[in-house]
Amino acid sequence: KNEVEQSPQNLTAQEGEFITINCSYSVGISALHWLQQHPGGGIVSLFMLSSGKKKHGRLIATINIQEKHSSLHITASHPRDSAVYICAVRLEPGNQFYFGTGTSLTVIP
Amino acid sequence: EPEVTQTPSHQVTQMGQEVILRCVPISNHLYFYWYRQILGQKVEFLVSFYNNEISEKSEIFDDQFSVERPDGSNFTLKIRSTKLEDSAMYFCASKGGGDSSYNEQFFGPGTRLTVL
Repeated sequence: KNEVEQSPQNLTAQEGEFITINCSYSVGISALHWLQQHPGGGIVSLFMLSSGKKKHGRLIATINIQEKHSSLHITASHPRDSAVYICAVRLEPGNQFYFGTGTSLTVIP
Repeated sequence: EPEVTQTPSHQVTQMGQEVILRCVPISNHLYFYWYRQILGQKVEFLVSFYNNEISEKSEIFDDQFSVERPDGSNFTLKIRSTKLEDSAMYFCASKGGGDSSYNEQFFGPGTRLTVL
């Protein structure tokens, strides 16, 4: 069973396009993370959300707790945004995490 | 900027051997984690550690696995008798204190473990 589902699995976009990646989860959570995994394997935390919306530069993350859904948006996408984007949830109660399978994004110049 | 470091970057071992993967978390962080990612699969939670003890562990983290914070800086993952299926990238992460729900994790670069 998948506690965390992401869509789409793969996404190809032209440079400049607006991108949306979705995450749905089926468990009670205390927080949701959006992570970026580069081709070399390194993982960077982009956002940690428990409600509402956060924005860093061209990245926006939203979460709807009632609907158990979060979205990651990238405005004015750029080839350097090409990476795998992973949604991870922290279970409530406790300190355990479930990860989605990731969305592989390729931005073409 | 402070960062989480991991050594070695790549470890090759024979099946049945013990391995120790090392992590140096960010110095003022209080929560520590190990994750693994089998090639082509999703990241999986192994264990979380706080106040010198395991606070949560997954089904993967069986008796073959152990964690330790032997001094004030290192955080280690030991696999007692490695199996072929332990081959994966192992990530360490750390997080600050305070209200733990509201702090982000910082990930290390990972150790690629290959079991032959």
